[in-house]
Amino acid sequence: EVQLVESGGGLIQPGGSLRLSCAASGFTFSTYALGWVRQPPGKGLEWVSSIGGSSGSTFYAAPVKGRFSISRDNSKRTLDLQMNNLRAEDTAVYFCAKYSGRTFDYWGQGTLVTVSS
Amino acid sequence: DIQMTQSPSSLSASVGDRVTITCRASQGITNYLAWLQQRPGKAPKSLVYDASNLQSGVPSRFSGSGSGTDFTLTISSLQPEDFATYYCQQYNSYPYTFGQGTRLEI
Repeated sequence: EVQLVESGGGLIQPGGSLRLSCAASGFTFSTYALGWVRQPPGKGLEWVSSIGGSSGSTFYAAPVKGRFSISRDNSKRTLDLQMNNLRAEDTAVYFCAKYSGRTFDYWGQGTLVTVSS
Repeated sequence: DIQMTQSPSSLSASVGDRVTITCRASQGITNYLAWLQQRPGKAPKSLVYDASNLQSGVPSRFSGSGSGTDFTLTISSLQPEDFATYYCQQYNSYPYTFGQGTRLEI
């Protein structure tokens, strides 16, 4: 059974940094691309970043490019999202998602990031 | 960026009804279109990929169709657990983009 479990969310002041992690199980981790999608409270879904499986190629949405960094550790089966210079508009539930082909098939339960003073 | 527009934004229906949700892309995306379901307070669940293929375990009352710029998600006979918000998502190119959601209410 595929499982994706996010952690690392919390309350952080504007300008601060936070590192999210996603622990994966139930599939051949290194084979699949992974991504992060966020959802501000009461709003819709927004793609944030993705990373390839074997290639490790990375992609970022414009609002986070230069501030966020996605990485993976295939030996530990973890996906990370380093978030720097956080802004109020980054407040959201952040979901980790696994790719099948070109899009997502499994999602984690999410972790809430609140950026506020 | 490719804009995804869903209609309607909300929809009231009853158990047993047939409902259709539409999604339009601002430019052609061939068949790189997914549909997701999200119940309140829960993670999204992937229902359909490549416009018309059901993800494993998704009931056959769900179906997707379309190509190019116009797509539909149909639920043939609504069940109580189907009342949720539905999103379309294009993955033709980065940045991946989602529709604004369609809230399906009783």
